[in-house]
Amino acid sequence: EADIYQTPRYLVIGTGKKITLECSQTMGHDKMYWYQQDPGMELHLIHYSYGVNSTEKGDLSSESTVSRIRTEHFPLTLESARPSHTSQYLCASSGVPIGGYTEAFFGQGTRLTVV
Amino acid sequence: KNQVEQSPQSLIILEGKNCTLQCNYTVSPFSNLRWYKQDTGRGPVSLTIMTFSENTKSNGRYTATLDADTKQSSLHITASQLSDSASYICVVSDRGSTLGRLYFGRGTQLTVWP
Repeated sequence: EADIYQTPRYLVIGTGKKITLECSQTMGHDKMYWYQQDPGMELHLIHYSYGVNSTEKGDLSSESTVSRIRTEHFPLTLESARPSHTSQYLCASSGVPIGGYTEAFFGQGTRLTVV
Repeated sequence: KNQVEQSPQSLIILEGKNCTLQCNYTVSPFSNLRWYKQDTGRGPVSLTIMTFSENTKSNGRYTATLDADTKQSSLHITASQLSDSASYICVVSDRGSTLGRLYFGRGTQLTVWP
């Protein structure tokens, strides 16, 4: 089982609130990712990081921000949550290539509902 | 445009039966193809990964095939169990960037009935 953890698992908050979704991994992976997934839809990359102090925006535009101060920690923050942010957020990490590819491990996800 | 298309969108089978899920992709340059199982409300878990040179790989009752020429893959599930009920996602990785970008299909929602 992968050692990547997300908290909280479920979150219901009011519009305008600031929230931070936590993601931690204990595998020492340099690369970490945040994906957004709506029900029945594919995962969309919203942020990624190659390592400490490295963050990039992904394919899907997002009003969220991320930081990577420590290798194991990659939190995602929404300064002012809106109902359109309601979705499932998945964190993933990957390490060095083995056998020609890198395995990606996913957290359990955070189901966010903004009311 | 790099895309991953899966079929069927949903599938219902009886426990003990076999089934096959399909994946077509246009990702280029191709690096590898992965099948993930995602239980409702959980993160995806890897089932198989195949590179360009591999055309079949098994993981227990799951067998994936890859035809890199036609850019098609299938996931065959043998002797299905109730716990197989989940979304099965085909993911293709390119080798055109350091990131090794992952392209996700929308998944096939499999329901196994007793």
